[in-house]
Amino acid sequence: GIQVEQSPPDLILQEGANSTLRCNFSDSVNNLQWFHQNPWGQLINLFYIPSGTKQNGRLSATTVATERYSLLYISSSQTTDSGVYFCAPEDSGYALNFGKGTSLLVTP
Amino acid sequence: DSGVTQTPKHLITATGQRVTLRCSPRSGDLSVYWYQQSLDQGLQFLIQYYNGEERAKGNILERFSAQQFPDLHSELNLSSLELGDSALYFCASSSGGGVSYGYTFGSGTRLTVV
Repeated sequence: GIQVEQSPPDLILQEGANSTLRCNFSDSVNNLQWFHQNPWGQLINLFYIPSGTKQNGRLSATTVATERYSLLYISSSQTTDSGVYFCAPEDSGYALNFGKGTSLLVTP
Repeated sequence: DSGVTQTPKHLITATGQRVTLRCSPRSGDLSVYWYQQSLDQGLQFLIQYYNGEERAKGNILERFSAQQFPDLHSELNLSSLELGDSALYFCASSSGGGVSYGYTFGSGTRLTVV
């Protein structure tokens, strides 16, 4: 399957700071999603972004499929942004391959 | 509420036992996927069903099995449970046969084997 590497593994931010999370993947992909797993364990779909750039409020994502990476930008971070962020490229159209995630803690 | 319903939310059972996890997909979704999230293995794809038929298999143990019923709900059966099976089990659904059709996760079943 597709190998996924996310960096950094851990990140601590003060409220209001900006951050960039990176996802490298080993093969060309048709689709890629970003998820946020909140402290209660729920997985929330942030972006479906096989290529290009999308924005949703304070979050935006960019995927450069030809160079096999995707970036998630979080601006003006809030404590509710805490949790784990997963990048998940599609594998053969049936399943998502999850990286190990970036664990984010936003402090007041 | 994502529209994907998983029951039970928590389950504690002993080694050697068998349990059944249930998933009801979003209304209109034909595909159901099962994932396991453990501390050492991370989030792993187990199996997919599409409109009652098995579509794809991932890292699913032989002790585990699943099925999708005519009303499209799915069950994941875990047998001869071991301590290492303790994990969060997620179900996801999509409208079509693959990821491209959109993917929504349920809130998971936390299984603890003691």
